[in-house]
Amino acid sequence: KNQVEQSPQSLIILEGKNCTLQCNYTVSPFSNLRWYKQDTGRGPVSLTIMTFSENTKSNGRYTATLDADTKQSSLHITASQLSDSASYICVVSEKPRGSNYQLIWGAGTKLIIKP
Amino acid sequence: GAVVSQHPSRVICKSGTSVKIECRSLDFQATTMFWYRQFPKQSLMLMATSNEGSKATYEQGVEKDKFLINHASLTLSTLTVTSAHPEDSSFYICSARIWGKNTEAFFGQGTRLTVV
Repeated sequence: KNQVEQSPQSLIILEGKNCTLQCNYTVSPFSNLRWYKQDTGRGPVSLTIMTFSENTKSNGRYTATLDADTKQSSLHITASQLSDSASYICVVSEKPRGSNYQLIWGAGTKLIIKP
Repeated sequence: GAVVSQHPSRVICKSGTSVKIECRSLDFQATTMFWYRQFPKQSLMLMATSNEGSKATYEQGVEKDKFLINHASLTLSTLTVTSAHPEDSSFYICSARIWGKNTEAFFGQGTRLTVV
């Protein structure tokens, strides 16, 4: 069964500190892995998308890694800011069958940045 | 980046009435749009996949007669919650995929529906 598991479920850190969020998946066949940031009451916003051949991708203070062999990904946030408080969701795309593909959503990690 | 606009952002309706939510891709053509529902503290749950000019494909357990989806053009899809009940209260989000690209999906701002 295709699954995406994220850890920790929630995380509280002080402003300015770094943190790393984890994502393990069992999706096959694999197409790509995405990290989204979702503020409360808002739609998700894409942070990174990585395909099988990519193992690191950065977007400002966000750096995502992907190990396709172990089926693990991480999202590292450096020098956290109060505005980073949000849910971070790992989403894995199953390889398209024809024109349709399925996104398998993780439950998300709720990150709280405290001043 | 591509913009998806969802309207309204919040709506309160009486039980038994119908509510229409619009999802527009503002600067690109979206052959496929997706409708999600999200309950508090839970992740997004796919309700249906909507392809322009054809009938929507609904996920198991989603009532197609209750959640009517229309995707009449490459820039607009609508979700109508018919005969709404309090248990339909939720956060509804649409996303759109760019024509010819299988990777990116852009999300609307979401609609908070409260049925009283």
